[in-house]
Amino acid sequence: GAVVSQHPSWVICKSGTSVKIECRSLDFQATTMFWYRQFPKQSLMLMATSNEGSKATYEQGVEKDKFLINHASLTLSTLTVTSAHPEDSSFYICSAAGTGVASGQFFGPGTRLTVL
Amino acid sequence: AQSVSQHNHHVILSEAASLELGCNYSYGGTVNLFWYVQYPGQHLQLLLKYFSGDPLVKGIKGFEAEFIKSKFSFNLRKPSVQWSDTAEYFCAVKGGSSNTGKLIFGQGTTLQVKP
Repeated sequence: GAVVSQHPSWVICKSGTSVKIECRSLDFQATTMFWYRQFPKQSLMLMATSNEGSKATYEQGVEKDKFLINHASLTLSTLTVTSAHPEDSSFYICSAAGTGVASGQFFGPGTRLTVL
Repeated sequence: AQSVSQHNHHVILSEAASLELGCNYSYGGTVNLFWYVQYPGQHLQLLLKYFSGDPLVKGIKGFEAEFIKSKFSFNLRKPSVQWSDTAEYFCAVKGGSSNTGKLIFGQGTTLQVKP
């Protein structure tokens, strides 16, 4: 089946540093990838929609200069949290939308970010 | 704007009990509806989805859901739960028919099944 991976699975960083999270579709091509944020015991909140080769579309209230998204290929999207602060600590989840036999959205396992 | 509301925040059942989790959505046009499950420490998995046709949808692990358009509802059901069904359940809606449309999630329901 369609598999989506994320790397790293967890990261701890100091306040003020930047962290890059990778999302890969392993066995299918994804023209569109989505980035979500999930706080403890809460739902997934869509942050942005990423289309291969074009600029990401951010949801209202999400700072595009803070959460940089790059979708350089049909199998890779990256989310960079710039100048991270403790309030950015969260669980970040990506999903990839495939077509054909991989039709639908498939979720990665998530990345736990802790900013000290 | 699209929105999804799940009525039950935390449900506790004994094994073999029947389950029904409520989900209502707000959207004026064509919708695709989904139920996802998140087992402890694992990623989201699709339980079932409705795009069109028979409003009673059967999914994996004995789950089913019924789309009632007049009530804007898509409730999840299972006749007899197991301890292994303990997880977080999310209802989601996607407007339109595009495969790449964004999903809007409900707030989730925590299901705890006692052995």
